[in-house]
Amino acid sequence: DAGITQSPRHKVTETGTPVTLRCHQTENHRYMYWYRQDPGHGLRLIHYSYGVKDTDKGEVSDGYSVSRSKTEDFLLTLESATSSQTSVYFCAIRELGLASEQYFGPGTRLTVT
Amino acid sequence: DAKTTQPTSMDCAEGRAANLPCNHSTISGNEYVYWYRQIHSQGPQYIIHGLKNNETNEMASLIITEDRKSSTLILPHATLRDTAVYYCIVGGSNYKLTFGKGTLLTVNP
Repeated sequence: DAGITQSPRHKVTETGTPVTLRCHQTENHRYMYWYRQDPGHGLRLIHYSYGVKDTDKGEVSDGYSVSRSKTEDFLLTLESATSSQTSVYFCAIRELGLASEQYFGPGTRLTVT
Repeated sequence: DAKTTQPTSMDCAEGRAANLPCNHSTISGNEYVYWYRQIHSQGPQYIIHGLKNNETNEMASLIITEDRKSSTLILPHATLRDTAVYYCIVGGSNYKLTFGKGTLLTVNP
C-alpha cells in the first residue's frame, strides 16, 4: 500500500470553528489531492497540489483552503466549518507522469454539528 | 475530460468472471481509461489503466474496443472481497480525475 496517512481519522466539530485536516505521504510523489465524498455525489475534487507551494482549485473549492509547505504534507483547512461540510475527506497522491495513477488515503470522517 | 456511463449495479457469482462495462464515446485521443474500486468506507483503490491496447495485471484485465468508445474490466475469478463500487474514469494530461457514480458489483456466494 502507498504510504499515505490522514489525520485525524474522525472529527466532530461545531459550526463556525476552524478545522485542519492533514495528509502525509512517504512516497515523495509530486501531486497531492483532496476529495470529499457524500452520498449521491461520489468523489469530488476540492483542491490539488502539483508541487510545494503550488496548488489549484477543484470543482468544490468554496469554503476550503489548502497549503503545501513541504512535499510530504498537504493540509486542508475549513476556515469556518458549516454543516454542509460534513463529509468523508480523502487525500490522494500521484507521481509525476502522463498517465500515472492516484493512490488514496484511508479517509477522514468529519461531522460538523 | 470525457464522461463515462456505467450500469448502476451488477451481480456476479463467486468464482465466476465479472465483466464490468463502461461507455466513453467522447474520449479523445490522449485520454486514458482508468479503473478504480472502493470497498465500503475505504479509500478508492487503483486497479488498472490503458490507452489503446488491452492490459492485464494481477488484479484484472482491461479490454478497450478498437474505436476506444467503450471498455470492459474483467475480474477473472470474483471473490466475495471483490464486492465494491467500481469506477471507470477517463483522464488526460491534466492530472485530474473525475469520479462518477460507478457500478456496485455484488459478488454472491
